[in-house]
Amino acid sequence: ETGVTQSPTHLIKTRGQQVTLRCSSQSGHNTVSWYQQALGQGPQFIFQYYREEENGRGNFPPRFSGLQFPNYSSELNVNALELDDSALYLCASSATDRVDTQYFGPGTRLTVL
Amino acid sequence: AQSVTQPDIHITVSEGASLELRCNYSYGATPYLFWYVQSPGQGLQLLLKYFSGDTLVQGIKGFEAEFKRSQSSFNLRKPSVHWSDAAEYFCAVGEDNYGQNFVFGPGTRLSVLP
Repeated sequence: ETGVTQSPTHLIKTRGQQVTLRCSSQSGHNTVSWYQQALGQGPQFIFQYYREEENGRGNFPPRFSGLQFPNYSSELNVNALELDDSALYLCASSATDRVDTQYFGPGTRLTVL
Repeated sequence: AQSVTQPDIHITVSEGASLELRCNYSYGATPYLFWYVQSPGQGLQLLLKYFSGDTLVQGIKGFEAEFKRSQSSFNLRKPSVHWSDAAEYFCAVGEDNYGQNFVFGPGTRLSVLP
C-alpha cells in the first residue's frame, strides 16, 4: 500500500505566474484535502474534493482552484501568484470526509519571488 | 470562530525527561480537539483526538492529552521523551470533524538533548 505522495518537492515561481501542484492519494481513498502552511504557522484548510466534486472550502480566494481525477489523484492550481503564497502545501487523503481519517503527504514547498 | 494558541514556540528537553506542551483554545461550545506531529520531510501525523467522554485521552507513540474545559486547555504530555520525538507539534480545534471548520495552532518545536 503506497502512501500519499506529492510533486514536485520544491518549486520556485515569480509573482503573477501560475502553478500546479499534484497529489496522489493513498490506495482506497476517495477524498483529498489541501492545506497551506506558511512559515512558522500551522496549516490552513484550502478545500476538499470528494469523488471529483469540491466538498468544502476555506477562506481562500478563487484564484486557488482544484481538480480531482477519476483515480482520486488531485491538483491544486494557483493563478496570479503573490509573494504571500510562498508556503508548504500539504495534501491529505482519506476514505471519508472526516479530519481524523486523513493521511498527509510530505508537502510541496512553493517559493514566490 | 474558534482559535488556538500554543504559548511555547520552542521547547528543549533532555532525553528521558517528561514533556508537556501547552494548548489553549477559544470556542463557545464543546470543541473537537486534536494534536498532530510533523517531522522534517514528513507529513502531519495525528497523535490523538478528543471529541467527548473521558477527558484524558491516549494516543500513539506514548502520548496523552487532557481536556480541561474550565481552563480551555488541551495539553499534550509524555512521561519520557525519546530523541525521535524531536519535531513540530500542532494543536488543532474544530467545531466538528470537518476540514472547513478546523483551525491549527502555530505549533511548538520540540528539541531533545541526548
